[in-house]
Amino acid sequence: EVQLVQSGAEVKKPGESLKISCKGSGYSFPSYSIGWVRQMPGKGLEWMGIIYPRDSDTRYSPSLRGQVTISADKSTSTAYLQWSSLKASDTAIYFCARAPIIIFRGPISSFDFWGQGTQVTVSS
Amino acid sequence: QSALTQPASVSGSPGQSITVSCTGTGSDVGGYIYVSWYQQHPGKAPKLILYDVGHRPSGVSSRFSGSKSANTASLTISGLQAEDEADYYCSSYTSSSAFYVFGTGTTVTVL
Repeated sequence: EVQLVQSGAEVKKPGESLKISCKGSGYSFPSYSIGWVRQMPGKGLEWMGIIYPRDSDTRYSPSLRGQVTISADKSTSTAYLQWSSLKASDTAIYFCARAPIIIFRGPISSFDFWGQGTQVTVSS
Repeated sequence: QSALTQPASVSGSPGQSITVSCTGTGSDVGGYIYVSWYQQHPGKAPKLILYDVGHRPSGVSSRFSGSKSANTASLTISGLQAEDEADYYCSSYTSSSAFYVFGTGTTVTVL
């Protein structure tokens, strides 16, 4: 059974750093890309970026490039999303999701399995 | 890259059919088959219900169908049921620097 299990909820202060995780199981982790999606309170889905665990190549949404870092560890089948300095506006639920690779580094067709989401709250 | 445009809300009575539209540009919806749809119930993770315009993943009800014409994709839910009440998002690959984009989301209400 394919599963993406994300780390638990976090409460942080502005300026603090954070790294959340997404562990895949039930499939060949390097054979699929992993995307991250943000959902701010009461808002819609926003694509943040994607990583190809095979070689850790990444693509970022232009609006978020430089604000977050996506990484992956093939040996533990885990993807990560990290911030070096959180802001209150980073408060959101963050989902990881698996994307089948149609063409390596090519178009994303869809996100077929999703993690349960990680609530991140940034408040002083 | 702006989000794809969806109506904020659509409603229907049980048993009826409803259609949710998703409008983009020739750089995304109009240019590729990589349009997908997601269903999200409150407090839950999104669930893929259609990919590549009109393909259903295993286990998804045949009451969900998809189509595309020019720069607009559509999700049709036939035989509307109470359990279909949820938020629905379209998405597409885009050849712009954004690479991928979601729609603004539509709340489907079963009257």
